Amino acid sequence: NAGVTQTPKFQVLKTGQSMTLQCAQDMNHEYMSWYRQDPGMGLRLIHYSVGAGITDQGEVPNGYNVSRSTTEDFPLRLLSAAPSQTSVYFCASSYAPQGGTEAFFGQGTRLTVV
Amino acid sequence: SQQGEEDPQALSIQEGENATMNCSYKTSINNLQWYRQNSGRGLVHLILIRSNEREKHSGRLRVTLDTSKKSSSLLITASRAADTASYFCATASGTYKYIFGTGTRLKVLA
Repeated sequence: NAGVTQTPKFQVLKTGQSMTLQCAQDMNHEYMSWYRQDPGMGLRLIHYSVGAGITDQGEVPNGYNVSRSTTEDFPLRLLSAAPSQTSVYFCASSYAPQGGTEAFFGQGTRLTVV
Repeated sequence: SQQGEEDPQALSIQEGENATMNCSYKTSINNLQWYRQNSGRGLVHLILIRSNEREKHSGRLRVTLDTSKKSSSLLITASRAADTASYFCATASGTYKYIFGTGTRLKVLA
C-alpha cells in the first residue's frame, strides 16, 4: 500500500515552460486536493476534486489546471510557469470530504522556476 | 487568507518537558485537525476533534477545543527529540476545503 505518491520530487523550470505534477493514490479515496507551501504562509489550497470528473478551485487557483479522469490520479498542470510558482507542492487524499476525516499527504514536489 | 493561526511560531524546549501550541481560527467549524510535518516531508495526521468535543487524547497528545473562543491547543507531554517538527492546525467549515494555519516549529533539545 503506497498511499499517496507524487512525482517528481524535485523540478527546475524556466519561466514560461509548462509541466505536470503527478499525484496518484491507491486507497480508493474520492477526495483529492493540491496545496502549495511557502515559507510563513502555511499550506494554501490550489484545487480539489470530490470524485472522478469533478474539480473545483481552492484559495490560489490562478496559473494551475487540474483534471480528474480516474479515482486514482489527480495531476496538476502549470501552463506557463512563473517565478511566483516556486514552492513546495503537496497532494492529499481522503476517503470522504475533509470535513470529517484525516487527509493523507504525499511527500511533496519541490519546484523552482527560474 | 489563513483561517488558522498557530502560536507561538517557534518553540524550543528540553527533552522531557511539555510543549503547548495554540491555534486560533476565524469562522465556525465542523472539526479541527492537527498535523505534524518533519523537515522536507509531507504532513502526517495526528488527531481530529469535532466541534461538539472539548478535549481529546491520543498517546502523549492532548487536544482541547474552545468553540466560543475559536481556539484549540495541542499539548505534547514528555517531549522527545523525535517530536522536533512543524505542527499545523487545519479547520473544516462545512465545505470540502481544509484551511491550514501557518504552523508552529517545535525543536526538542536532547
